[in-house]
Amino acid sequence: ETGVTQTPRHLVMGMTNKKSLKCEQHLGHNAMYWYKQSAKKPLELMFVYSLEERVENNSVPSRFSPECPNSSHLFLHLHTLQPEDSALYLCASSQDPGRDRSYEQYFGPGTRLTVT
Amino acid sequence: AQSVTQLGSHVSVSEGALVLLRCNYSSSVPPYLFWYVQYPNQGLQLLLKYTSAATLVKGINGFEAEFKKSETSFHLTKPSAHMSDAAEYFCAVISYSGAGSYQLTFGKGTKLSVIP
Repeated sequence: ETGVTQTPRHLVMGMTNKKSLKCEQHLGHNAMYWYKQSAKKPLELMFVYSLEERVENNSVPSRFSPECPNSSHLFLHLHTLQPEDSALYLCASSQDPGRDRSYEQYFGPGTRLTVT
Repeated sequence: AQSVTQLGSHVSVSEGALVLLRCNYSSSVPPYLFWYVQYPNQGLQLLLKYTSAATLVKGINGFEAEFKKSETSFHLTKPSAHMSDAAEYFCAVISYSGAGSYQLTFGKGTKLSVIP
């Protein structure tokens, strides 16, 4: 595997389900991100982890819970979601932007989530 | 806070014609600017970036962008459109969000259609 991978690519879940999205980066990066992409809305940054510590949480509802067990893996745990949470969830990685001033982020293909 | 505005949510060009996608930025400090492309059902791919070196930046797939401080613009161009250029394009700027944390702030995107 190369780059940033995400599983599953598609997920349909009911409002009472619990599921997790997985992201893995094979680039040797030490910062990882979750974004939400909805129709007709700009990309929204949800969470940032740098060196496995959460450094940013952009007022995301608690029904979204991130986990970063190591610098290569990132999870987004989902529970009791709402239909308006249906979106494309994108994972990205980069070098720690506080140290590497390239600021380039590399994106995975996303998980298309549908909440019914 | 830094931000970007993309003019035109949808642009159509004929195959072989010039592609011009507009992006204006708002920043109180010299910005780091990016263009990303998103093909259907895929994540975002970095096209090019401006990091205060040369004002004319060349990217992948024949695209380039020119940083114009006097106009606060970073428009994306390609001399001759190909059918394969049909995608959504996002302009982004690096924002400093405090405590050593940086984030990419994206524009709303411009969907490019190429007419045969």
